[in-house]
Amino acid sequence: GENVEQHPSTLSVQEGDSAVIKCTYSDSASNYFPWYKQELGKGPQLIIDIRSNVGEKKDQRIAVTLNKTAKHFSLHITETQPEDSAVYFCAASRNAGKSTFGDGTTLTVKP
Amino acid sequence: DAGVIQSPRHEVTEMGQEVTLRCKPISGHDYLFWYRQTMMRGLELLIYFNNNVPIDDSGMPEDRFSAKMPNASFSTLKIQPSEPRDSAVYFCASSLAGVVTGELFFGEGSRLTVL
Repeated sequence: GENVEQHPSTLSVQEGDSAVIKCTYSDSASNYFPWYKQELGKGPQLIIDIRSNVGEKKDQRIAVTLNKTAKHFSLHITETQPEDSAVYFCAASRNAGKSTFGDGTTLTVKP
Repeated sequence: DAGVIQSPRHEVTEMGQEVTLRCKPISGHDYLFWYRQTMMRGLELLIYFNNNVPIDDSGMPEDRFSAKMPNASFSTLKIQPSEPRDSAVYFCASSLAGVVTGELFFGEGSRLTVL
């Protein structure tokens, strides 16, 4: 089955700095790579996703890059703000089938 | 749109008791997933349904766990008998099939504590 590894497990940055979280996956058939943000006491919520036919996608301060050859994808957050503090999960799946999640990264943005 | 609705939000029970968690997916979604979240194991997929039919229950930890989806708008996850190691947050999520999106919409979760 699919295996997703996520690094780092914790990340602390100063407000305004950039944050990068990296994931690798094992199943070459995976074609959908979402990123979820989970705030305390809530369920994960999608913030950005990318499909295997695209190498990069950007939405305001967040971007995701995908390297299919290396089976590697990353989340980039620029100009971080305190409200970006949360747990971030990467995942891999085939279309609407089951998603395999990484272990999560706890991001802390210090004011 | 009400989103995915889970109940109860919090449940405290004693070892050996039966626990039933409930989920109402987003109307029109044809996939429903049950996940368990713990500090040690992260987000684990327990079981998922497509059009009310269980597709993969390989993540269900033991026979003590069972899940049903009697219709498109309701699913239950039952633990009988419960044990302290079942303490976790249980999430239900739904999605819509297709190549356009695979986004999961999560509920707020049910926090279970087994004493």
